[in-house]
Amino acid sequence: RKEVEQDPGPFNVPEGATVAFNCTYSNSASQSFFWYRQDCRKEPKLLMSVYSSGNEDGRFTAQLNRASQYISLLIRDSKLSDSATYLCVVIGGFKTIFGAGTRLFVKA
Amino acid sequence: DAGVIQSPRHEVTEMGQEVTLRCKPISGHDYLFWYRQTMMRGLELLIYFNNNVPIDDSGMPEDRFSAKMPNASFSTLKIQPSEPRDSAVYFCASSFQVGQVGSPLHFGNGTRLTVT
Repeated sequence: RKEVEQDPGPFNVPEGATVAFNCTYSNSASQSFFWYRQDCRKEPKLLMSVYSSGNEDGRFTAQLNRASQYISLLIRDSKLSDSATYLCVVIGGFKTIFGAGTRLFVKA
Repeated sequence: DAGVIQSPRHEVTEMGQEVTLRCKPISGHDYLFWYRQTMMRGLELLIYFNNNVPIDDSGMPEDRFSAKMPNASFSTLKIQPSEPRDSAVYFCASSFQVGQVGSPLHFGNGTRLTVT
């Protein structure tokens, strides 16, 4: 089993749709969690941190479920510009593990 | 804030040649990471440094790869001799701390390496 697993997609959604991604992790001692966005041929960029209480940034909501060992990212009212690959990142025991990423295509 | 700076942006070389990739982390960051990304394998951690000291190099593919960090503001990743299977995008990233919320990795633009 991989340390961090994501559904690779692709997710194809129309503009305005709500889409959710999940990411599961195997190390129960993991301490920090993030979502990154990567555009084609570009570097990964931090989208948002994931806090135990859940957090929201505009149209984006991130949640952590420690009991089930997964994090989620919800995108509301999706825009064409949201098309990208979304990577979850789990840090624990001085190891930073990236998920393989989920491809999202938002279509007009 | 200049961000993480990598050079060159693109490198095309012939098999057997030496390749040196360079990275300048964000000032004040005490962790530096080298990653490799391919379509087949995704993002792979090659090595990371803390305060200029290599901490984990278990991701370095083989002896042809070496990395150094002579000071807090500069690191190199060297491949000698290069092979076609080394073709990938190599990212450098830096952070304040590992394992603390609010200390994510910041990536450079990457070096796209093509070995023919």
